[in-house]
Amino acid sequence: DSGVTQTPKHLITATGQRVTLRCSPRSGDLSVYWYQQSLDQGLQFLIQYYNGEERAKGNILERFSAQQFPDLHSELNLSSLELGDSALYFCASSVGAGSGSEQFFGPGTRLTVL
Amino acid sequence: AQRVTQPEKLLSVFKGAPVELKCNYSYSGSPELFWYVQYSRQRLQLLLRHISRESIKGFTADLNKGETSFHLKKPFAQEEDSAMYYCALRGGGSQGNLIFGKGTKLSVKP
Repeated sequence: DSGVTQTPKHLITATGQRVTLRCSPRSGDLSVYWYQQSLDQGLQFLIQYYNGEERAKGNILERFSAQQFPDLHSELNLSSLELGDSALYFCASSVGAGSGSEQFFGPGTRLTVL
Repeated sequence: AQRVTQPEKLLSVFKGAPVELKCNYSYSGSPELFWYVQYSRQRLQLLLRHISRESIKGFTADLNKGETSFHLKKPFAQEEDSAMYYCALRGGGSQGNLIFGKGTKLSVKP
């Protein structure tokens, strides 16, 4: 499968902990986007990287950080976790950085904070 | 502020009935509008984009700038259309991220 992949599928952890979510974009895609989906807020954009550089920031908390590595995979780090961080975290990738590029979504990582 | 509103959380219709999923947006400028669909246990996938003006799986959507709407329509619903539908917008130019509505769950009954 040459689509967007995300690991792990599920993650259960405790408040105060730190986790790392991983995303591998489609082959040839340079842009990676992170979105958070929660019951009350819906799908919200967190951050975008393009070819290793941060491109745009959305509603990302200071406790969260991300990076994109030279092989273009990306990691989203969530620290000092709170109950409200429980959500589905989606990664998407696209060829370009702006308008005109279709975004392809991964299957998501479901994070449960207990 | 950039915003996408989908007023219906759930829409239930019978097979063969027409379907209209509503989407209104708020954006000062010329946004790109999209409809994404998520079938059960599958990932989010693009259904339609307004610039292509095509019909996918019998669905169409017309951008109405006067009413700032981008409603999704299908004349005859099928059971396999049951899914979550998300309307999204993207600002023009260098802005790449999508702004999503909260989604409408479409249930097509036999």
